[in-house]
Amino acid sequence: DQQVKQNSPSLSVQEGRISILNCDYTNSMFDYFLWYKKYPAEGPTFLISISSIKDKNEDGRFTVFLNKSAKHLSLHIVPSQPGDSAVYFCAARTALHSGGGADGLTFGKGTHLIIQP
Amino acid sequence: DSGVTQTPKHLITATGQRVTLRCSPRSGDLSVYWYQQSLDQGLQFLIQYYNGEERAKGNILERFSAQQFPDLHSELNLSSLELGDSALYFCASSVGPGDNSPLHFGNGTRLTVT
Repeated sequence: DQQVKQNSPSLSVQEGRISILNCDYTNSMFDYFLWYKKYPAEGPTFLISISSIKDKNEDGRFTVFLNKSAKHLSLHIVPSQPGDSAVYFCAARTALHSGGGADGLTFGKGTHLIIQP
Repeated sequence: DSGVTQTPKHLITATGQRVTLRCSPRSGDLSVYWYQQSLDQGLQFLIQYYNGEERAKGNILERFSAQQFPDLHSELNLSSLELGDSALYFCASSVGPGDNSPLHFGNGTRLTVT
């Protein structure tokens, strides 16, 4: 059962336009969400995160929106640049429990973003 | 550079064999996580260690085991290897449980089982 879903395996966007990557989740215990970017032959790199108490977090060209009622988050990249071409993973973490519980992240399968000149 | 070091980068071995993957976390990080990425799959959480103790288990097979040593480096042991174990294995580290700092990933070990 996939708890974090990225339904678009790939997305092609023109340079300079907005890229919107979507992610849906099913586990209502998730309370912290992250986006990672991955280039070939490298490990995932942290991009931006959002706590469930917020609905928006912005960092430069990157903005993450969280809609808790819809269990949906999205990553907006404006403007898109050639260096943004990569695989983007959405990840989520459950509320931390004292005395145990998984602190690991649950990842989606990723969306391959291609920025076209 | 994330500061997380994984060795070796590539590993080719035969079915039935045993291999060991090694990970050195970022300086100051006490938690180490292991993830597996198979073809067309997301990253699957395998296991987490914190300061030498196992903290959480994910989808880790019984043929796989891990440990974290006093110097905080970690090893993932894969035994009785099968073709389906071919994957990218990532190690990540963070300061520790109880914080919301992101995980920092190494560049992975690509395991090919023939």
